[in-house]
Amino acid sequence: QQQVKQSPQSLIVQKGGISIINCAYENTAFDYFPWYQQFPGKGPALLIAIRPDVSEKKEGRFTISFNKSAKQFSLHIMDSQPGDSATYFCAAARGNTGNQFYFGTGTSLTVIP
Amino acid sequence: ETGVTQSPTHLIKTRGQQVTLRCSSQSGHNTVSWYQQALGQGPQFIFQYYREEENGRGNFPPRFSGLQFPNYSSELNVNALELDDSALYLCASSYRTGLAYEQYFGPGTRLTVT
Repeated sequence: QQQVKQSPQSLIVQKGGISIINCAYENTAFDYFPWYQQFPGKGPALLIAIRPDVSEKKEGRFTISFNKSAKQFSLHIMDSQPGDSATYFCAAARGNTGNQFYFGTGTSLTVIP
Repeated sequence: ETGVTQSPTHLIKTRGQQVTLRCSSQSGHNTVSWYQQALGQGPQFIFQYYREEENGRGNFPPRFSGLQFPNYSSELNVNALELDDSALYLCASSYRTGLAYEQYFGPGTRLTVT
């Protein structure tokens, strides 16, 4: 059973555009929601993370929007650049159970120059 | 600050063999988690070690085992390899204090089982 569902599977965006990736979860015990960026042949790199006590977090061009009632969260990449082309994973974790991360299936983002 | 390192980078094994993968935690981190990432999928949690003890395990059989050493480095051992074990194995380290969450991943070990 997939604990975290991610969409779309792939995304093509023009340079300068906004990339939006969505995730949904079922387990209300999750209390930490990170986003990771992965380039081919590399391990995932932590981009930005949010906890359910806030509805939005922004770091540079990256913003997480969090909707606790809908059990959904999304990553927005503003002014998308070709260097942002990578696979993005959302994840969810429960703080009191050893910090096991449940990952989404990933979104392959291509930013066209 | 030294990041998470893993060895070897690539490995080819035959079905039925055993393999040991190694991970060095980021400096100052005391917790190590291991993940399996099949091609085109998200990482799947195998287990986590904190202060040399297993601290949580995912849905993986007992032939997946691990160790954490006093310097917080870690090993993942897989016995009786199966073709489906072919994947990228990722190690992530973090510093557990209260509700510590941030996990930092190494580059992974690509295991191919033939």
